[in-house]
Amino acid sequence: EAGVAQSPRYKIIEKRQSVAFWCNPISGHATLYWYQQILGQGPKLLIQFQNNGVVDDSQLPKDRFSAERLKGVDSTLKIQPAKLEDSAVYLCASSFHRLAGNKAVEQFFGPGTRLTVL
Amino acid sequence: GEDVEQSLFLSVREGDSSVINCTYTDSSSTYLYWYKQEPGAGLQLLTYIFSNMDMKQDQRLTVLLNKKDKHLSLRIADTQTGDSAIYFCAESGNDYKLSFGAGTTVTVRA
Repeated sequence: EAGVAQSPRYKIIEKRQSVAFWCNPISGHATLYWYQQILGQGPKLLIQFQNNGVVDDSQLPKDRFSAERLKGVDSTLKIQPAKLEDSAVYLCASSFHRLAGNKAVEQFFGPGTRLTVL
Repeated sequence: GEDVEQSLFLSVREGDSSVINCTYTDSSSTYLYWYKQEPGAGLQLLTYIFSNMDMKQDQRLTVLLNKKDKHLSLRIADTQTGDSAIYFCAESGNDYKLSFGAGTTVTVRA
């Protein structure tokens, strides 16, 4: 079974530029998450999708971050404009729909995109 | 996050047992997790425990939960060099939304 795919793996940009990250979840997983992991910290949830709808975006800095999952499969996360403090690894994860019971407990993580903002 | 705390570093000799500790603050936590992160890789779920359990064993891994003290621990028996990684404690409610600690870096020395 293929895992969660993310691209690019690395990105270096200057502050005030824009950047976009792509995620392809595991086939059949209705729930998709984007996390931000700053160096030395644990991942912090940015946004959660159930199919193509947003379940929770309370931690997403909406003045500069946006995310979409138009067809309920792939997702993109965009930052516009980027700030120095956005330097982090952006992790995508997917899981079964929460109504699937114990099957929904495990989130499967992609390798992440490491963003450096200069 | 600040709701989940764990020690930052642990050094252990190969073959010994490792014990990683974690405390959490949310009394409504339903699931407690241990994730492993190796360099350049995403997180991998090692094990989880439901909040009404106090122990779970899975091969070399033993999870202990003290719900009264909100304390979770992970014991790795016969620690190997491949166990060197960052271990994250996390909790969630029934919504499965994870709150992670800052991670414990485990270094296994020969």
